[in-house]
Parts: sequence; structure tokens; C-alpha cells
Amino acid sequence: SQTIHQWPATLVQPVGSPLSLECTVEGTSNPNLYWYRQAAGRGLQLLFYSVGIGQISSEVPQNLSASRPQDRQFILSSKKLLLSDSGFYLCAWSISSGNTIYFGEGSWLTVV
Amino acid sequence: QQQVKQSPQSLIVQKGGISIINCAYENTAFDYFPWYQQFPGKGPALLIAIRPDVSEKKEGRFTISFNKSAKQFSLHIMDSQPGDSATYFCALNDYKLSFGAGTTVTVRA
Repeated sequence: SQTIHQWPATLVQPVGSPLSLECTVEGTSNPNLYWYRQAAGRGLQLLFYSVGIGQISSEVPQNLSASRPQDRQFILSSKKLLLSDSGFYLCAWSISSGNTIYFGEGSWLTVV
Repeated sequence: QQQVKQSPQSLIVQKGGISIINCAYENTAFDYFPWYQQFPGKGPALLIAIRPDVSEKKEGRFTISFNKSAKQFSLHIMDSQPGDSATYFCALNDYKLSFGAGTTVTVRA
């Protein structure tokens, strides 16, 4: 069966510090991968999606970036965090031809 | 640009009551209409989904009603239970999911 792992689960970072959130998927090949952000009490905002290694599409302009160095690995990064980057970050995957998206457990980021 | 409008933002229902959440969309190109359920501190999970060739789909106490001409679809939670307290998102799918703003459902015992 397929599983998705996302870490760290929680982190508190000062303004201006870098960020790296990592996500890996097991049990499937060539998945579509996604990063979503959810501000407190708000909806789900798609940040990035990827259909293959090195292929990243950005949905919103921001100081975040994403990379996909391996088929089942997706990384969300920032060089300098802003207070507004605080939120709940969710990695997700789907099969390339599928409709259902499967989410990880999420990472809580608090920028102070 | 939000492609799907979801309402209400929140609702409170008594145990055993019916919860109804509505979503409206503009683009008619979508062919898959899922609902996701999210518990606090967890990622969303697929609850139920419908394709536009049917007007209703039922799974247990959860029913999706789909009105293609009105471009609306809704989620009905029958016999609501405290364990149904969660945030519900409708979504539209082309090459990625576009989510509604979410509805927080609270079921009072």
C-alpha cells in the first residue's frame, strides 16, 4: 500500500531563517506531488505541484520554492521566512492519471 | 481565483440532525466532484465523490447531490454524530484539485 511521510511535524522558526520541509511517498512510482498551505481556520491553498523529477509548477508568487530531486521526494524551502509564512503545510500525492489526492499528516510552521 | 464557492462557513447541528453543505462552480469542464473531510491537526481525506453522469451518490450516512444545470453539488450528512465534527471541503478536479473554502461542522451531543 502507498504511504506518505512528511516531516518535521512541528517547527518554530525565527523571521529571516531558512526552511526545509520534506515529503516522501512510498509504494507508488511517478506520482504527482503537491504542496498545500492552510492558514489557521482557512482553506487549502495550492502552492506547488510536480508531475515528475525536476518539474515544478508554482501556483502563487511567494518567497517559497519547491524541488523534486527524486521521483518520490518533494521538498519545500525558503531562504528567509516571513511572519506570513506561518501555517499548516500539507504534502500530497496522486497517481498521474487519478482524481484522488492523498494528504500527509502535515507540518505546523510558526514563524516568530 | 476561486473556482468553487462553498457555503456555509460553519454550522452547528444537534446529534441526529442533518448537515447540508453546498458548493457552486462556474467552469463546466470538470468531471469529478469530491468531498474531503479534515479533523483538527490532520490532513484532509477523501470522503465521497461523484461524477456528473449521476445526480446522487450515497455512502452510509453521507450523500452527494449533484445538479449539473445549476452547477451545484452538495453534501448531506444524515443522522449527524459527534464524530462527524470536522471541516469539510468540496473540490473540483482538472489536473489538480481546487478546494472550496471549507465548512466547519460541529455536532452537539
